[in-house]
Amino acid sequence: QLQLQESGPGLVKPSETLSLTCTVSGASISTSSYYWGWIRQPPGKGLEWIGSISYSGSTYSNPSLKSRVTISVDTSKNHFSLKLTSVTAADTAVYYCARNTLSVTSRPGYFDYWGQGTLVTVSS
Amino acid sequence: QLVLTQSPSASASLGASVKLTCTLSSAHSSYAIAWHQQQPEKGPRYLMKLNSDGGHNKGDGIPDRFSGSSSGAERYLTISSLQPEDEADYYCQTWDSGLVVFGGGTKLTVL
Repeated sequence: QLQLQESGPGLVKPSETLSLTCTVSGASISTSSYYWGWIRQPPGKGLEWIGSISYSGSTYSNPSLKSRVTISVDTSKNHFSLKLTSVTAADTAVYYCARNTLSVTSRPGYFDYWGQGTLVTVSS
Repeated sequence: QLVLTQSPSASASLGASVKLTCTLSSAHSSYAIAWHQQQPEKGPRYLMKLNSDGGHNKGDGIPDRFSGSSSGAERYLTISSLQPEDEADYYCQTWDSGLVVFGGGTKLTVL
């Protein structure tokens, strides 16, 4: 059974960099059949896609966050990571990782497996 | 611009059926979507992918009570024989050319 688990600091100071890792178990991340994505949810609000990465390192990001987002993949550790720079209180959210299917054009499609999420609070 | 529109809330009685709607922006009316369920204090769960012709692929273990259908730019999620555990937020999601978009979500209350 595929499982995804987010990990990283729960508290980040304003202007610093948020760093999270998603460890995948039950399947290899080194498959051309999927992308691997990050989604966030501010308290009491809806879901916002952050970005997705393939095992080979091809990335797609939300245009509203693109300048601050870096997503990377480590196939040897079967995990992928998110870095979000220059954070503010508006970046406080539960951050989820998820498996992203391929669209017919081999770009990110829909999410079919989700992690349980991790709350990151931005505060001094 | 690729946009998904959902009503903020819906309600139905225990044991009844409810139909939730997700509307695609008019230029994208033929697009497929996915439905996700988020129970209180939990992470989202994939329910199904829903095509423009109404065909759908459900996720592992999703009960037969959950079904999908389509009409024009509208995509529907029907839940029959409502159970207490169906009280949740329901999100639709779509994708295009490397962009992924979520609807604002519908909060379903089971009365």
